Amino acid sequence: GAVVSQHPSRVICKSGTSVKIECRSLDFQATTMFWYRQFPKQSLMLMATSNEGSKATYEQGVEKDKFLINHASLTLSTLTVTSAHPEDSSFYICSAGQLAKNIQYFGAGTRLSVL
Amino acid sequence: DAKTTQPNSMESNEEEPVHLPCNHSTISGTDYIHWYRQLPSQGPEYVIHGLTSNVNNRMASLAIAEDRKSSTLILHRATLRDAAVYYCILFSGAGSYQLTFGKGTKLSVIP
Repeated sequence: GAVVSQHPSRVICKSGTSVKIECRSLDFQATTMFWYRQFPKQSLMLMATSNEGSKATYEQGVEKDKFLINHASLTLSTLTVTSAHPEDSSFYICSAGQLAKNIQYFGAGTRLSVL
Repeated sequence: DAKTTQPNSMESNEEEPVHLPCNHSTISGTDYIHWYRQLPSQGPEYVIHGLTSNVNNRMASLAIAEDRKSSTLILHRATLRDAAVYYCILFSGAGSYQLTFGKGTKLSVIP
C-alpha cells in the first residue's frame, strides 16, 4: 500500500530551539496533507491542513506563527515548531490522502520532548 | 460533523473473533464509514471503509446496518498484534478530506 514517511521519529531539544518535522508521501502525490498532535492517553487532534503551493489552514487555537507549515512539493510537507517550550512536548503525526481511494495514510509519528 | 459513539474499551481472547461496534445515528447519506486503528506509539493505520454494503478485506470485515445508523468492525481471529485503539470515523469525502478522531475503542487481546 501507499506509504507516508515521517522523520524524525523522536527528537529531544532544549527550550527555545526550533524543530523541523518532515512528512513525505513516497509513492503518490498529495496536494493536501494533515498535521495532528496527540497528547498521552488522548485522541488525535487536527492542527492544520497543509496545501501544496498555498498557505496552510490552521484549526482554531493553533498558533500559525509557532507551528510553521510548508508544503513546497506534492510529496513533502514540513512542520516547524518554533521556539519550542515544554508544553509543546507531544506526539506529532502527519497524514496524506490518496483521494481516489478515499483513504488517508499516516506517518509513524514524531515524539517531541522539549527540556 | 456527524458524531460516532464507541465503547471505551473491549477485551478479546486471542484467536477469537472480535466485534467492535460503532453508533452513528446522525450519519448523512453521503458519509462513508471509516475505521482506522492506532497501535501504541505509532500513527493510525487504515483498516476498512464502506458506504452501504458490507465490506471485506484482508484485515477485517465491516458490517453496516440497513439504516446505516450503526456499524460493526469484525476481526475474524484476534491476534496480539491487533491490540490497538480502533477509531470509527464518518467521512464525507468532500471539502478538505480531513478526518475527525473521537476517543475510539481500546482493544486488549488476552493470550
